[in-house]
Amino acid sequence: AQSVSQHNHHVILSEAASLELGCNYSYGGTVNLFWYVQYPGQHLQLLLKYFSGDPLVKGIKGFEAEFIKSKFSFNLRKPSVQWSDTAEYFCAVNKNYGGATNKLIFGTGTLLAVQP
Amino acid sequence: EAQVTQNPRYLITVTGKKLTVTCSQNMNHEYMSWYRQDPGLGLRQIYYSMNVEVTDKGDVPEGYKVSRKEKRNFPLILESPSPNQTSLYFCATSGTGRRGEQYFGPGTRLTVT
Repeated sequence: AQSVSQHNHHVILSEAASLELGCNYSYGGTVNLFWYVQYPGQHLQLLLKYFSGDPLVKGIKGFEAEFIKSKFSFNLRKPSVQWSDTAEYFCAVNKNYGGATNKLIFGTGTLLAVQP
Repeated sequence: EAQVTQNPRYLITVTGKKLTVTCSQNMNHEYMSWYRQDPGLGLRQIYYSMNVEVTDKGDVPEGYKVSRKEKRNFPLILESPSPNQTSLYFCATSGTGRRGEQYFGPGTRLTVT
């Protein structure tokens, strides 16, 4: 079945540590890729997105992600995390039907806890 | 200010008592969608709407109904709620050409006892 996989369910880091969260998808063809963040008690906010072009995309708050087509991956990275990055992170995929659909398929999420 | 609003934000109800969760957006977006979020399962789509009077089932539609009579509103209806519908619900919207990028409402935490 077509799906989005996030391999890390819980990640605990100390402040200033580097972060990499994995995301793999199983759709063929052209896709649009997203990372959303959900801070405790809040709604989902867009962190970054990839549609086309440079496979290394930069988002808000120092986050970046790299699209590797051959690996069907879109991993999220941050060189140095802060306590305020404590949140749940969701990878999501939109299958590009020429804009005919806006459906997102979400991964199960990664809960990141950053210890001060 | 671009907004997606949901009401109520919190609701505790009993099995079988019909309820409606409202969703409203001010961005003139065509696409609206409902998701439920459960621990370990991420977000799963319940229903979506491509435009007024156009709705379709998502991945977990059982036990839910929707309607889209106006472009800005997309209410979620639980005719006879059951405890397995206890969840966190999010409404989301997207406009033409957004390629799936969605804007989320603040969420509605529903508990069915």
